[in-house]
Amino acid sequence: DAKTTQPNSMESNEEEPVHLPCNHSTISGTDYIHWYRQLPSQGPEYVIHGLTSNVNNRMASLAIAEDRKSSTLILHRATLRDAAVYYCILLATSYDKVIFGPGTSLSVIP
Amino acid sequence: NAGVMQNPRHLVRRRGQEARLRCSPMKGHSHVYWYRQLPEEGLKFMVYLQKENIIDESGMPKERFSAEFPKEGPSILRIQQVVRGDSAAYFCASSPYSDTQYFGPGTRLTVL
Repeated sequence: DAKTTQPNSMESNEEEPVHLPCNHSTISGTDYIHWYRQLPSQGPEYVIHGLTSNVNNRMASLAIAEDRKSSTLILHRATLRDAAVYYCILLATSYDKVIFGPGTSLSVIP
Repeated sequence: NAGVMQNPRHLVRRRGQEARLRCSPMKGHSHVYWYRQLPEEGLKFMVYLQKENIIDESGMPKERFSAEFPKEGPSILRIQQVVRGDSAAYFCASSPYSDTQYFGPGTRLTVL
């Protein structure tokens, strides 16, 4: 079973920031927080991951709560190509099988 | 560095035939995972392999499904005597020693 909770769907206007929340209240000290996204008819795409500190890369930012029980994926300027299902996942190591929940379906409105 | 390659991208089989799905991991990656996505459903883990070893096959159906990752060549997911319920998208992912998993574009299997 997925160990994270995400809203089923969200909407954003194009070129505005998007904050996608994820709750993981049972996270253990060795769990990394990973985010993947799946565009229509494509395979999942790695977005970002972190352990304790906030992380930034060219795709997004990841803000992790101090108690690590929640995190937020931040897309700084949503584009139409960001419309996808976003999955928040906990992995103890990269060898773990990924257990996908239903994720958040993000719609971007032009 | 090419990404994870899967072929064929689309595969059509009649009931009772065999389906062979291939996955070439990214260069330097020795861990391969297979996932299945049924229509209108989420992704489900099937099997995790390292070179010549099956590490975790807890998500594999007990019958008709098998997977291998030989010393040389791609990983193969084999489905024998396919049924209509096997129609799905099958995704392969690979990872190196200590990094995240990278997914291929998937093989879409249609069973007639």
